[in-house]
Amino acid sequence: ILNVEQSPQSLHVQEGDSTNFTCSFPSSNFYALHWYRWETAKSPEALFVMTLNGDEKKKGRISATLNTKEGYSYLYIKGSQPEDSATYLCALWDNYGQNFVFGPGTRLSVLP
Amino acid sequence: KAGVTQTPRYLIKTRGQQVTLSCSPISGHRSVSWYQQTPGQGLQFLFEYFSETQRNKGNFPGRFSGRQFSNSRSEMNVSTLELGDSALYLCASSFNRGTTDTQYFGPGTRLTVL
Repeated sequence: ILNVEQSPQSLHVQEGDSTNFTCSFPSSNFYALHWYRWETAKSPEALFVMTLNGDEKKKGRISATLNTKEGYSYLYIKGSQPEDSATYLCALWDNYGQNFVFGPGTRLSVLP
Repeated sequence: KAGVTQTPRYLIKTRGQQVTLSCSPISGHRSVSWYQQTPGQGLQFLFEYFSETQRNKGNFPGRFSGRQFSNSRSEMNVSTLELGDSALYLCASSFNRGTTDTQYFGPGTRLTVL
């Protein structure tokens, strides 16, 4: 069974702080990685789809990097704002593109 | 462009019954994926339909099934409901296969099994 881990489980930061989270996966089982933001009482929102080793993606103050050889992806948020408070999920398609497994998520709280 | 819609939004059933949930994708999208979210298991992939064919299936029993119509609308069916099937069921659509394309999620159907 494919195992996707995320750390930390939760995080509290002050407004204006920059922060980052980690998504870890078996390097031998990679096809594509998705990052989502899930705010309470809303639907998950896709942030990035990453497929190539060394990929770097950016969307406003949020960026992500991917290292498929060592099996991890980082998500960075620069200058956190209260509206960034959400659970950030990564999800991995395995190398057959058949199984899609979500990590447990990192819950971010940005305090004003 | 209208977003992904799901009906019904809330549903209460009893054990042993069956249920059908509906998902209408964004216009032009050909892929619909279904997910189950429970407090204990988190978000789990059920299956993906693309061009009316099931392309991928997660680790769920055969009681969970689905189909996709020629207009890309999709339905998910759960037969012989169990208490553990109580969950938020989300669908997501994408233009191409959900493996490498951005997925857009609907608001979900909250199913309660009594």
